Amino acid sequence: GENVEQHPSTLSVQEGDSAVIKCTYSDSASNYFPWYKQELGKGPQLIIDIRSNVGEKKDQRIAVTLNKTAKHFSLHITETQPEDSAVYFCAAHPGRAGTALIFGKGTTLSVSS
Amino acid sequence: DAMVIQNPRYQVTQFGKPVTLSCSQTLNHNVMYWYQQKSSQAPKLLFHYYDKDFNNEADTPDNFQSRRPNTSFCFLDIRSPGLGDAAMYLCATSVGLSSYEQYFGPGTRLTVT
Repeated sequence: GENVEQHPSTLSVQEGDSAVIKCTYSDSASNYFPWYKQELGKGPQLIIDIRSNVGEKKDQRIAVTLNKTAKHFSLHITETQPEDSAVYFCAAHPGRAGTALIFGKGTTLSVSS
Repeated sequence: DAMVIQNPRYQVTQFGKPVTLSCSQTLNHNVMYWYQQKSSQAPKLLFHYYDKDFNNEADTPDNFQSRRPNTSFCFLDIRSPGLGDAAMYLCATSVGLSSYEQYFGPGTRLTVT
């Protein structure tokens, strides 16, 4: 079945710097790749997603890139702010109806001012 | 504004005492999911409903049951909670099963004493 690996597990940056989180997946049939942000004590919030027919997607300071050949996708956050501090999860959908999202293990991002 | 609502936000139960967690949604989505999330881990899918069709993950213990009386509501019943069942329980919804965005509720933090 699908397996998603996420790196790094922790990431510390200074305010204003960029942050990059990378994920790899194993199932070439996977076709949907969301990113979730989870703040302490809250549920995961969908922040951006990408489908397999697109290579890059941007939403203000957040971007996601997808390399289908290499089976990896990345989250890029520019001009980081303290409120970006949270746990970020990547996920992949195996592309078959009735199957579940497969999550990475999460990255704890800390942005210091 | 809340689209996926979970009650209660915090629940304390005694070892072996049945407990029910509830989830409601205003999105009119077909699919409702229940996830278990332990500290510093990714959410783990327990089961989901597509409309009234129930789908149990293979490794979900029999101790966990679910009911979906209508489109808007879904319940998680833990018949005999053990100490290992202490976790955050997350409800999520999506339009369909294949590659659709999942929207999470804020979660219920379950403590077992």
